[in-house]
Amino acid sequence: KNQVEQSPQSLIILEGKNCTLQCNYTVSPFSNLRWYKQDTGRGPVSLTIMTFSENTKSNGRYTATLDADTKQSSLHITASQLSDSASYICVVSFTTSGTYKYIFGTGTRLKVLA
Amino acid sequence: DGGITQSPKYLFRKEGQNVTLSCEQNLNHDAMYWYRQDPGQGLRLIYYSQIVNDFQKGDIAEGYSVSREKKESFPLTVTSAQKNPTAFYLCASSIRPGTPLIEQYFGPGTRLTVT
Repeated sequence: KNQVEQSPQSLIILEGKNCTLQCNYTVSPFSNLRWYKQDTGRGPVSLTIMTFSENTKSNGRYTATLDADTKQSSLHITASQLSDSASYICVVSFTTSGTYKYIFGTGTRLKVLA
Repeated sequence: DGGITQSPKYLFRKEGQNVTLSCEQNLNHDAMYWYRQDPGQGLRLIYYSQIVNDFQKGDIAEGYSVSREKKESFPLTVTSAQKNPTAFYLCASSIRPGTPLIEQYFGPGTRLTVT
């Protein structure tokens, strides 16, 4: 069964600290992996997207890594800010019958405290 | 929210009533999608449309209906047959469906509460 699991479910850190969020997937055939940021009550916004051949991608203070062999990805946030408080969603895309489908993780809820 | 609007932001309905959620995009995207988000669960696909006048059921289409009469509009109707309609509904759009690196742009969402 195609699944995407994220950990931890929630995380609280102090402003200025770094943190790492995890995403494990059992999706096949793998196409790409995306990380989204979703503010409370808003729609998700894309942070990064990685294909099979990429193992790291950065977007400002956000750095995503991908290990396609172990089917794991992580999102590292450097020097956290209060505005980083949000849910972070890992999404894995796969192909089926010639079309691309998306499996969404349940997200990690991050709270950054002053 | 990238040129996708959803209205209203909050919607309250009595059980047994049908309700239609609006989704409009000005990004000239071909594909549009409806997702449902529940606490503790990942987004689940309700319906998607790759072209005007065509749409396909997603993973949880029962109790929902859609139409795609215009490229920029993809309204979702939550019918009385949907057993647990209370949820956060997200509309998304993308260009050229079926290519691997296309990005989905999401609207701000509509929170539907049925009592």
